[in-house]
This record gives sequence, structure tokens and C-alpha cells, in this order.
Amino acid sequence: NAGVTQTPKFRVLKTGQSMTLLCAQDMNHEYMYWYRQDPGMGLRLIHYSVGEGTTAKGEVPDGYNVSRLKKQNFLLGLESAAPSQTSVYFCASSYGLAGPWLSNNEQFFGPGTRLTVL
Amino acid sequence: TQLLEQSPQFLSIQEGENLTVYCNSSSVFSSLQWYRQEPGEGPVLLVTVVTGGEVKKLKRLTFQFGDARKDSSLHITAAQTGDTGLYLCAGAGGTSYGKLTFGQGTILTVHP
Repeated sequence: NAGVTQTPKFRVLKTGQSMTLLCAQDMNHEYMYWYRQDPGMGLRLIHYSVGEGTTAKGEVPDGYNVSRLKKQNFLLGLESAAPSQTSVYFCASSYGLAGPWLSNNEQFFGPGTRLTVL
Repeated sequence: TQLLEQSPQFLSIQEGENLTVYCNSSSVFSSLQWYRQEPGEGPVLLVTVVTGGEVKKLKRLTFQFGDARKDSSLHITAAQTGDTGLYLCAGAGGTSYGKLTFGQGTILTVHP
């Protein structure tokens, strides 16, 4: 099993350009997430999905859109990139939601995409 | 908005030393997770704690969940160079039901 994969690994964009980040998981997980990681700020949730065909906003959704047309894929789009979107983007998936239980709530992360917007 | 404050942000120690990383909040969490992240990779789960006062041990790592479920700590005994990495705590519950709120992370460097 590959787990969670992300493409591309690196990308440089100019301000105003658009791009799509692809996340794929082969664990048949219902839940998928997109985070961004910036120095000193941990991981911040951008958007998430609780199942095929569903998406919801996270903590920092502005400037991003997502789609989950297939259960195994979660796409993150930037329509008009800005320098403030320079970051490392992580996709994650989980079998269950985080909560007061010990099992099925582990989030499995991809290796990340390093995006620079000039 | 629920916040998790981790301290210290940076920790640089010699091999063999002990260390503790703290994760504090004013909010109550239903569970708390600790992840470890190596450079160029995504975070990997170390442990989940769900009961106030709970203590879990993973070899040289000891995790504690505060009685009020607002704070947690990670203690490493006799650190090794392989422990080097970014440690992240993440809380679940409250207003962020089903989602994780991450602390800002602690960068640990263990020197030989």
C-alpha cells in the first residue's frame, strides 16, 4: 500500500497563476483533509471532506477550493495564487473522525507539497 | 477558536539528556494526539490519550494527559539522535468536533 500520496512535490508559481494539488489514498478512508504548514504555526486546516462528494471549510479556507469526486482523491485548487500562499501543503486521511476514542482516528499524512508563489 | 500552545518552540540537547515538551490550552479536549515529523515528510502519530490523568509509555517516551483534559506533556528519557524532529500535539473536540487543532510544534535537536 502506498498510503497517502501527493503530487507534485515542489512547485513555483507566479502571482495570479492557478494550480491544482492532487492527493490520493489507497486505504479506503472516508475522511480527507488539506493542511498548510508555516514556520512556527503548526498545521492549519484548509478544507476537509467527510465522504465522496462532500467538502467543508476549515480554519483557513480563503483563496482555496477543493473537490472530492472520487473517494480516494482530494484535490486542492488555487485559482489566483498569492505570495501569502507560499507554504508546505499536507494532505491527510483517516478512517474515523477525531474524538474521545482511541481507535480509528489516526490521520495518515502524505509527504507534502512545497509551494512557492513569487 | 481553540488554541494549543506548545513550549518550548526549540529544544537543543545532548544525547542522553532528558526533556519535556508541554502542550497547553484553555479549552477542554476530548482527546489529544502527539505526532512526530521528520524533515521532508508528513507527521506520524505517536499516541492518542483520551482520559484525564492518563499516562502512556512508548519505550523512552512518556505521555501524560492533564486531569482537566486541557494540557498534555511528552517526556523523553535519555534522548537519542534518532529522536530529532518536530513534535506536534493535536487536540480533538469542543467547537472543532471531529477535527484536530494543532499546536505550533517543538523542534527537537539531539546532538551526539
